[in-house]
Amino acid sequence: EDQVTQSPEALRLQEGESSSLNCSYTVSGLRGLFWYRQDPGKGPEFLFTLYSAGEEKEKERLKATLTKKESFLHITAPKPEDSATYLCAVQVTGANSKLTFGKGITLSVRP
Amino acid sequence: NAGVTQTPKFQVLKTGQSMTLQCAQDMNHEYMSWYRQDPGMGLRLIHYSVGAGITDQGEVPNGYNVSRSTTEDFPLRLLSAAPSQTSVYFCASSYSRGGGEPYEQYFGPGTRLTVT
Repeated sequence: EDQVTQSPEALRLQEGESSSLNCSYTVSGLRGLFWYRQDPGKGPEFLFTLYSAGEEKEKERLKATLTKKESFLHITAPKPEDSATYLCAVQVTGANSKLTFGKGITLSVRP
Repeated sequence: NAGVTQTPKFQVLKTGQSMTLQCAQDMNHEYMSWYRQDPGMGLRLIHYSVGAGITDQGEVPNGYNVSRSTTEDFPLRLLSAAPSQTSVYFCASSYSRGGGEPYEQYFGPGTRLTVT
């Protein structure tokens, strides 16, 4: 069974304090790993797709990396507006568009 | 483009009532999906469609019905609402790039459903 585990469940940072969010996965064959951001009361917003081990993607203060077993979302010098829930999801080969999601990490950045 | 739209935003039902959650996309995406999101459970797939006229079950399909008569629309029907169906429902769409590449899904704003 495909599984996605995100840690920690919640993370509180001071503005400017860099950190990383973890997503570990166990799948039969990985087609892609996705990171989404979700604000309260809204739908998930697409951030990154990672296809293969060693790949990295960046967007503003966020950088996503991928290994054969896990992905990290690094947040450099976060700001209060980065506060949100970050979701990780995997898509396996042969599964069309189906995604398996982790439970999410709630990030709070204090000014 | 409006992207993925969902109606209504909020709904309260009594146990046993039926209703349809609407989802539409204007991006000409082949794939559409319905998820529910519950506290501590993450997003779980209910039903999905790989194109007009083709649907399949996801992880938690019981109590829900779907059809896809057009590329744009993918309604979700609750046949006889139960309190266990109280949740936030998200519709998503995606396209295939071909060549085995993953499909990025784009989500609607959600429908918050309460069943009493």
